[in-house]
Amino acid sequence: SQTIHQWPATLVQPVGSPLSLECTVEGTSNPNLYWYRQAAGRGLQLLFYSVGIGQISSEVPQNLSASRPQDRQFILSSKKLLLSDSGFYLCAWKGDPAQETQYFGPGTRLLVL
Amino acid sequence: SQKIEQNSEALNIQEGKTATLTCNYTNYSPAYLQWYRQDPGRGPVFLLLIRENEKEKRKERLKVTFDTTLKQSLFHITASQPADSATYLCALDRTGGSYIPTFGRGTSLIVHP
Repeated sequence: SQTIHQWPATLVQPVGSPLSLECTVEGTSNPNLYWYRQAAGRGLQLLFYSVGIGQISSEVPQNLSASRPQDRQFILSSKKLLLSDSGFYLCAWKGDPAQETQYFGPGTRLLVL
Repeated sequence: SQKIEQNSEALNIQEGKTATLTCNYTNYSPAYLQWYRQDPGRGPVFLLLIRENEKEKRKERLKVTFDTTLKQSLFHITASQPADSATYLCALDRTGGSYIPTFGRGTSLIVHP
């Protein structure tokens, strides 16, 4: 069966520091991968998605970036964090672009101080 | 632009009653609609999907209806239990057929014993 992992689970970072969040999927190949952010009391905001290695689509211009160095690995990065980057970051996957349902990871809680 | 509305106020009900959550949308003609459950500090979990040509879908104690004329979906949990307490998110496919869902902000359900 497929599983999705995210780490770290919780992160407290100072403003201006770099960020690297990792997401990996097991039990499937060539998944479609997604990064979402969920701010307190807000909905899920799609940040990036990837349909294959090295292929990244950005939804919202911001100081974040994403990379997909391996088939089942998706990384969210920032060179300099802002206070507004605080939130709950969720990685999700699905097996086929036409598949409707997404499967979410456990999330990373990021607090920027 | 597309807009999804879910009641931001928490729904409080007594154990054993039927909980009914509402998802309304505008400027949209989705091919399908999904409902997810999200527990605090966790990623959303898929519950049910209903397509535009379906009026109703059931799964155990869950029932979803989809009225494309009213642009509304209702999500029912019968014989509710305290363990059903969570936030429930409605998601619709984005226009253009990208198969990437757009999520509502969710409604919190609290079932009292």
